[in-house]
Amino acid sequence: AQRVTQPEKLLSVFKGAPVELKCNYSYSGSPELFWYVQYSRQRLQLLLRHISRESIKGFTADLNKGETSFHLKKPFAQEEDSAMYYCAYRGGKSTFGDGTTLTVKP
Amino acid sequence: DSGVTQTPKHLITATGQRVTLRCSPRSGDLSVYWYQQSLDQGLQFLIQYYNGEERAKGNILERFSAQQFPDLHSELNLSSLELGDSALYFCASSGNTGGSYEQYFGPGTRLTVT
Repeated sequence: AQRVTQPEKLLSVFKGAPVELKCNYSYSGSPELFWYVQYSRQRLQLLLRHISRESIKGFTADLNKGETSFHLKKPFAQEEDSAMYYCAYRGGKSTFGDGTTLTVKP
Repeated sequence: DSGVTQTPKHLITATGQRVTLRCSPRSGDLSVYWYQQSLDQGLQFLIQYYNGEERAKGNILERFSAQQFPDLHSELNLSSLELGDSALYFCASSGNTGGSYEQYFGPGTRLTVT
């Protein structure tokens, strides 16, 4: 079955440390993958889309087809990055991972 | 502001009751998705509509139903409510945005069943 897996439910880092939120997918073909962020259980906001290879708020994500991964990275975490992050792919059934709660400690 | 609106913002009701949640998608978006997010839980996909037709179904209970109207707004009906139905309910819409089909989320409806 097509699915997205975020293996870490919780991730805690110190301010200024690098952060990597993992996402693995199982999908045949060319997936369309996204990262969304949710602050304090408010609306989810699109953070990144893999097709545009952009950097938003210092975050980047590279699609690795060999490893079927789309990890989200930031070299220097900030306290305001504390939020819930969801990896998602566009498919017949909207598929979101279970989410990773990132806490950035001062 | 994503352009997706949801009403009401908050809803408090009793067990056994029925409620209707409403969603207006972004202008031009044909797809509408509904999600449930319980406390300390991730997003659970409920159902998707595309231009008035049901496109995909997730973990939606039989007590729940949805529809999308000709003007593309959507309603999620929850009946015989139970305490466990207390959650945030999000609506999202998508369309072709420069070749990408990302979803735009509404602010959610917070349902409390007492």
